[in-house]
Amino acid sequence: GAGVSQSPSNKVTEKGKDVELRCDPISGHTALYWYRQSLGQGLEFLIYFQGNSAPDKSGLPSDRFSAERTGGSVSTLTIQRTQQEDSAVYLCASTRDRGDNQPQHFGDGTRLSIL
Amino acid sequence: ILNVEQSPQSLHVQEGDSTNFTCSFPSSNFYALHWYRWETAKSPEALFVMTLNGDEKKKGRISATLNTKEGYSYLYIKGSQPEDSATYLCAFKNGGSQGNLIFGKGTKLSVKP
Repeated sequence: GAGVSQSPSNKVTEKGKDVELRCDPISGHTALYWYRQSLGQGLEFLIYFQGNSAPDKSGLPSDRFSAERTGGSVSTLTIQRTQQEDSAVYLCASTRDRGDNQPQHFGDGTRLSIL
Repeated sequence: ILNVEQSPQSLHVQEGDSTNFTCSFPSSNFYALHWYRWETAKSPEALFVMTLNGDEKKKGRISATLNTKEGYSYLYIKGSQPEDSATYLCAFKNGGSQGNLIFGKGTKLSVKP
């Protein structure tokens, strides 16, 4: 398919475990974004990649959160020592370039539940 | 802190009704306003990207207007159908082309057959 692909679609894990979420953007899209939506909240920006570098990590809520992107394509978001407040839907989006006025293309998200 | 407010939070209408919702955003340093539709268990789907004051955009039965001076956008749905049931998100981009999108909490629309 030509869309943004995220995996897994659902993840249930115990508090304290590490989790890794994956995003495969649209081919040729240099800009990649991670968001999360916690219950009752709006979509919250986490991090932005341009190619393999992350010029804006301002939304990462704590140092337990990290992300990387390799080959200018797939990105992984890692949450270490998960807490219950990390439960949310994590969305990834991509655009051809951050500066254009095109809409963001989203994946279906990963629903993360921390027990 | 930049805030995007959407109202109402939720809305229940009958099939065939027309409806509208509001997105309010800071009027300073405006760059663009996005509307997305997010159906349960699917990905958010782009509806409109609006950049100019007074812009009006239309896609089928859905249309949107933009007032950047007073900081609001309206989304209209004419003759709602059950398949229009979704959460409608607006997102505001300020500070130029390199700014982040700041999302509202959305308006959840339910259309009863």
